[in-house]
Amino acid sequence: AQKITQTQPGMFVQEKEAVTLDCTYDTSDPSYGLFWYKQPSSGEMIFLIYQGSYDQQNATEGRYSLNFQKARKSANLVISASQLGDSAMYFCAMREPSGSARQLTFGSGTQLTVLP
Amino acid sequence: SQTIHQWPATLVQPVGSPLSLECTVEGTSNPNLYWYRQAAGRGLQLLFYSVGIGQISSEVPQNLSASRPQDRQFILSSKKLLLSDSGFYLCAWSAWLGAGGGYTFGSGTRLTVV
Repeated sequence: AQKITQTQPGMFVQEKEAVTLDCTYDTSDPSYGLFWYKQPSSGEMIFLIYQGSYDQQNATEGRYSLNFQKARKSANLVISASQLGDSAMYFCAMREPSGSARQLTFGSGTQLTVLP
Repeated sequence: SQTIHQWPATLVQPVGSPLSLECTVEGTSNPNLYWYRQAAGRGLQLLFYSVGIGQISSEVPQNLSASRPQDRQFILSSKKLLLSDSGFYLCAWSAWLGAGGGYTFGSGTRLTVV
């Protein structure tokens, strides 16, 4: 079964507008971590934001925020005031401590294109 | 601060040739090390991980192997490359922490087997 699901293969957003990238996850472990990574065309994986399963508040990092809805098992990434440089592939990932060596499981990604 | 180095950045190899990709981590000790492969336009597939010197776990049966000869060195190898080995290979490390320990990735190697 898919542990991380990203249902939007591609998204478009106008520059300066906000955009939400969807992510749902599946785990029976009460302790887990959720991550978002950005992959520009150069290929490097850039860490954006982290949310722990016990965190009471939604994580924020600059223009990035994570809309964490635990009961629905969703961890959507919100990018405010989109910039042209935000055009990239975005991956949601989950880490479960009960997994071997605490592996990070990735979703299939969402290709975001910011339009001028 | 911790850094991770991965090389080469780009590689074109003929079918049947050997492969050796190297990854080293600086500024930390006893990291968990990972090799991922990403096919064009796809997500990341975990190939190997290592929790210590000489300890290698394989996630997917394939034409590749991994070794960890030193604490902060992780090598991905093949004796004979196949066309299907083409892809983008990423090395990553993480500290031995709880669920909050994320990964730091290297800059990747784009391998084309011709």
